[in-house]
This record gives sequence, C-alpha cells and structure tokens, in this order.
Amino acid sequence: AQSVSQHNHHVILSEAASLELGCNYSYGGTVNLFWYVQYPGQHLQLLLKYFSGDPLVKGIKGFEAEFIKSKFSFNLRKPSVQWSDTAEYFCAVNDGYGNKLVFGAGTILRVKS
Amino acid sequence: NAGVTQTPKFQVLKTGQSMTLQCAQDMNHEYMSWYRQDPGMGLRLIHYSVGAGITDQGEVPNGYNVSRSTTEDFPLRLLSAAPSQTSVYFCASGEANTEAFFGQGTRLTVV
Repeated sequence: AQSVSQHNHHVILSEAASLELGCNYSYGGTVNLFWYVQYPGQHLQLLLKYFSGDPLVKGIKGFEAEFIKSKFSFNLRKPSVQWSDTAEYFCAVNDGYGNKLVFGAGTILRVKS
Repeated sequence: NAGVTQTPKFQVLKTGQSMTLQCAQDMNHEYMSWYRQDPGMGLRLIHYSVGAGITDQGEVPNGYNVSRSTTEDFPLRLLSAAPSQTSVYFCASGEANTEAFFGQGTRLTVV
C-alpha cells in the first residue's frame, strides 16, 4: 500500500526565514500529490496540488512545491515565512483513480515573530 | 455553498455508547470519505464511498459502520464507543482525480 513520509515533525523558524518541508511517497505509477494546511482549531485547506505537467507547482499564500518523480518526492517551499504560517502541514497522495488520500504524519510549523 | 457540513462539532460519549456522526455535502460529489486524525499520525482513512449505495473499508475501519443512501449524506456510526476512538473525525468529498474538500471536523472524546 502507498505510504507517505514527512521528514520533520516539528519545525521552528523565525519570520522571514525560508521553509522547506520534505515529503516522500512509497511507490510510483500514476499519483496525484497534495499539500494541505491546518491552522489551529480549523479544518484542512488545500495549499497546492500536482496532477501532471510542470513539476513546479505554485499554490496559495506564496507556497510552492516541486515534484521529482525519480526521487518520489514532493517538497513544499516558501521563500519567506510569516507568523501567520504557523500551522500543521500535511502531504498527501492518491493513486490517481479516485479520491482516497494517504496522508503523511504532518509537520507542525511554528514561526516566531 | 456550504461545502461539507459535519455535525456535531464536539461530542463526549461513555464507553459502550453508540452514536452517529453526520456528514453532508452540497457539491454533488460522487466520492465521500471519513478520516480520523490523531497526534503524530496524520489522517487515516476509515471508510470510503464512490457513490450512493457503494462503500468500502479504509485503513482503520474496525468499530465503525457507514452507509450511503444518497449522494449528499455519508453518516459514520460508532456501534460501541471505546476510548481508543477518541479522536478528531473529518469527512471529505470530491471527484475522481481532484482534491478532497474537508468538513470542519468532529472532536470526539470517549470516557
């Protein structure tokens, strides 16, 4: 079965620092890739998604992610984080044939002002 | 559009009690699913539906039942609540090869 690994469970950054969160999935074939964000006490919101095409995907709030097929990776980046980016970030994958998602364990990001 | 609506938002149950978590979507999505979220484990799929009358088990189905009699509704039933079912439950809907849209969640505590 597909699995997703997120490299860091907790990340603490100062405002204006750059962010990179790692995500790897276990096997290839047709996959759709997602990053979701969960702000404290809220539900999951989509940050960005990759289905096909340009492997560099831009999402909301200045986030982007790069799909590297040979590495089974889909890392999330932001050049300069803000205090309001404090949240938990989840990488997820589906097998391209439905809407079931397999999630990583999540990365809790705290941005110090 | 309300999107995906879950009720209740909070619930406390005693061990052995049963209850139903409600989920409704107004986007005419074929796919609906239930996940539970536990600290350090991300979200795990409980049950899944690809359309009215069709359901399937996910990764952690034990202790939960679902049914899908209409496109809009996908209730999750806990037959006999256990402390291990203390969690935050999210319902989601979507179409094939699109993102999933999530409800606000139900925080369940079983004592």
